Amino acid sequence: NAGVTQTPKFQVLKTGQSMTLQCAQDMNHNSMYWYRQDPGMGLRLIYYSASEGTTDKGEVPNGYNVSRLNKREFSLRLESAAPSQTSVYFCASRFHTGELFFGEGSRLTVL
Amino acid sequence: AQKITQTQPGMFVQEKEAVTLDCTYDTSDQSYGLFWYKQPSSGEMIFLIYQGSYDEQNATEGRYSLNFQKARKSANLVISASQLGDSAMYFCAMKSLDSGGSNYKLTFGKGTLLTVNP
Repeated sequence: NAGVTQTPKFQVLKTGQSMTLQCAQDMNHNSMYWYRQDPGMGLRLIYYSASEGTTDKGEVPNGYNVSRLNKREFSLRLESAAPSQTSVYFCASRFHTGELFFGEGSRLTVL
Repeated sequence: AQKITQTQPGMFVQEKEAVTLDCTYDTSDQSYGLFWYKQPSSGEMIFLIYQGSYDEQNATEGRYSLNFQKARKSANLVISASQLGDSAMYFCAMKSLDSGGSNYKLTFGKGTLLTVNP
């Protein structure tokens, strides 16, 4: 099925460990986004990418890095995980009409 | 900076009644767009409805309508004939160009948890 695929869906890390969240879309969209969702905070933008090879910081970029490997893939990396990064992470790509199509989310727990 | 405010952390409605979820926004942009998303307990984000800042008519999609009052900077979601399956978190979001003027970002509110009672 067409859409946005995120992996892994669940992950538990220890403080200081690193990991990469993978995201791929097959809708040929140019723009892709990473958000985090925390209780009572809504969704906050971490990083986004307008096209292959370009990335920009969002509202809460500290502690994260991203790579837009090609048009399909946009990965989010935590180099040294902290408990404050415990969250649900959503990847999305944008239709030309403006709305975002979201992946199913990745639940990350940092102990 | 763009800001979205949803002042109702939780709302209750009886099945088959209508409910309005509030959303106000703050922007200095002339061109922008407003969205509503639904997030059921399963966690996925579902796009519901869109309103452009230059659209003269209020957007409607089935039982969803957007009450857009530009001068008051409000974009309330109206759900008619509520169903039990409407119980979910609802997010208002605003589309605007980033500082470089080359890409759009969506800024989300904190959400309203709607519970539909039988």
